[in-house]
Amino acid sequence: ELKVEQNPLFLSMQEGKNYTIYCNYSTTSDRLYWYRQDPGKSLESLFVLLSNGAVKQEGRLMASLDTKARLSTLHITAAVHDLSATYFCAVDHETSGSRLTFGEGTQLTVNP
Amino acid sequence: EPEVTQTPSHQVTQMGQEVILRCVPISNHLYFYWYRQILGQKVEFLVSFYNNEISEKSEIFDDQFSVERPDGSNFTLKIRSTKLEDSAMYFCASTRDSNGKLFFGSGTQLSVL
Repeated sequence: ELKVEQNPLFLSMQEGKNYTIYCNYSTTSDRLYWYRQDPGKSLESLFVLLSNGAVKQEGRLMASLDTKARLSTLHITAAVHDLSATYFCAVDHETSGSRLTFGEGTQLTVNP
Repeated sequence: EPEVTQTPSHQVTQMGQEVILRCVPISNHLYFYWYRQILGQKVEFLVSFYNNEISEKSEIFDDQFSVERPDGSNFTLKIRSTKLEDSAMYFCASTRDSNGKLFFGSGTQLSVL
C-alpha cells in the first residue's frame, strides 16, 4: 500500500521567512503533484513533477523531486500572507494513471 | 480557462436516501475521477473512469456507489443508500492524459443526517 507522509502538518511562519515542507512516500513512483487548497475550496494544481531531479518554480514556491530518496520538497521563499493555505502532495501509483494518494496536508499560516 | 463544474455545491440528505452528484468535466478530457475528503482529513481516491468503464476503484467504492457518463458531457456519482459516514466533500476531476495534471472541480459538500 502506498503511503504518503508530509511534515510538518502545521506550520506558522512570519512574512519574509523561508521554509520547506517535506513529502515522503513509500513505493517507487516518478510522478508527484503539489496542490493548494484554501478553506472550503477545491484543489488548485501547483506543480507536476515527472522525473527524478525535477525542479519547478512559480513565484515564491519551488518544488523538487528525488525519486531515489522518495522525497519531494516544497520550498517557500520570503513568505507572504497570501500563501496561507493547506498544501498537499500527491503521488501517482506507478501501475495506474492518475490514481493519486494524497498526504495529510500541511496547513500553512503566514503571519504579518 | 476551462474548468470542471460540479452541482450541487451542497447536498443534504437523510440516511438511506439515494443521491446523485453531477460533474461536467473539461470538454476534451478523456479520464474522469471521483475523490472525496472527509472534513479535516486528506483527499481519498474513489474511482477512475475511461472509455465508458471503470478503470480502477478503491476499497471505499463499494456496491453502494456507481458512476455513469450518461451523455457526452456529464459524469455522475450515485450513492444508493447513504450512510452517515458518507458525509464528505466529493470532488470530480478530469484529465486529457492519464499521466497529466488533474483538474479538480469545486466539490459537492454532502451531509447525511
